[in-house]
Amino acid sequence: DVVMTQSPLSLPVTLGQPASISCRSSQSLVLSDGNTYLNWFQQRPGQSPRRLIYKVSNRDSGVPDRFSGSGSGSDFTLKISRVEAEDVGVYYCMQGTHSFTFGQGTKLEIK
Amino acid sequence: EVQLVESGGDLVQPGGSLRLSCAASGFTFSNSWMSWVRQAPGKGLEWVAFIKPDGSAKDYVDSVKGRFTISRDNAKASMYLQMNSLRAEDTAIYYCATSQGGVWGKGTTVTVSS
Repeated sequence: DVVMTQSPLSLPVTLGQPASISCRSSQSLVLSDGNTYLNWFQQRPGQSPRRLIYKVSNRDSGVPDRFSGSGSGSDFTLKISRVEAEDVGVYYCMQGTHSFTFGQGTKLEIK
Repeated sequence: EVQLVESGGDLVQPGGSLRLSCAASGFTFSNSWMSWVRQAPGKGLEWVAFIKPDGSAKDYVDSVKGRFTISRDNAKASMYLQMNSLRAEDTAIYYCATSQGGVWGKGTTVTVSS
C-alpha cells in the first residue's frame, strides 16, 4: 500500500505571507498512462473537502491563483503565495495512482 | 448543477449493518469512477472504497475488506455502500465522491455504539 506523508502537520502563518506543504509518497505516483495522480484538497471547518489541484499542478475551476502545485515522482508541494483568512483549514494530499490514499492532513492557522 | 447526495447514515449497534446511498446528478455518472471516503470525529480523511464506471473493478481499504461492499446502479445514477459487522471504529462521516475528488457530497453520519 502507498503511504502518503505530509509535513508539517501544523502550519501557523501570518496573513499575507507564503505557505508551503510537502507531500511524499512511499512509491512513484507515475501511472503507465504517463499521468501522475496527485491531488490536493482543502477542508474548511465544518465543510466537505474541496479539490484545489489535480494531477500535481492543475488548478480546479474557481481556485485562486495564489494556490499552486508542483513536484514529480514521489515528492510534491502545495504552495500558497499569500495566505488569506479564508485559507484556514486542513489541507490533504491524495494519490489516485495505486488505488487511493490520503496524507494525514496539515492544519493551517493564522498566527 | 453537479451534485452528490448521501443518505442512510444512522446510529447502529456494534455488529449491525447499514446501507449507505449516494445519488448523483449534473454529470455523466455512468462514466465516473466513484469512491466512498470517511472521516472519524476529529480525524483526517480516509479513503474507504472505489468502483469503476462499469462496476467491473472495486477495491477497499484493508480495515473494511470482507465487511463492506461497494456497488452502483448507473441507470439510477446511484452508488451504495453495504456495511456489515460494524465496529465502533467505523463511526465517521461517510462522503461520496468522484474518485479523483473533483465532486463531493455533504456526507452522512454513521455512529456505531451500544
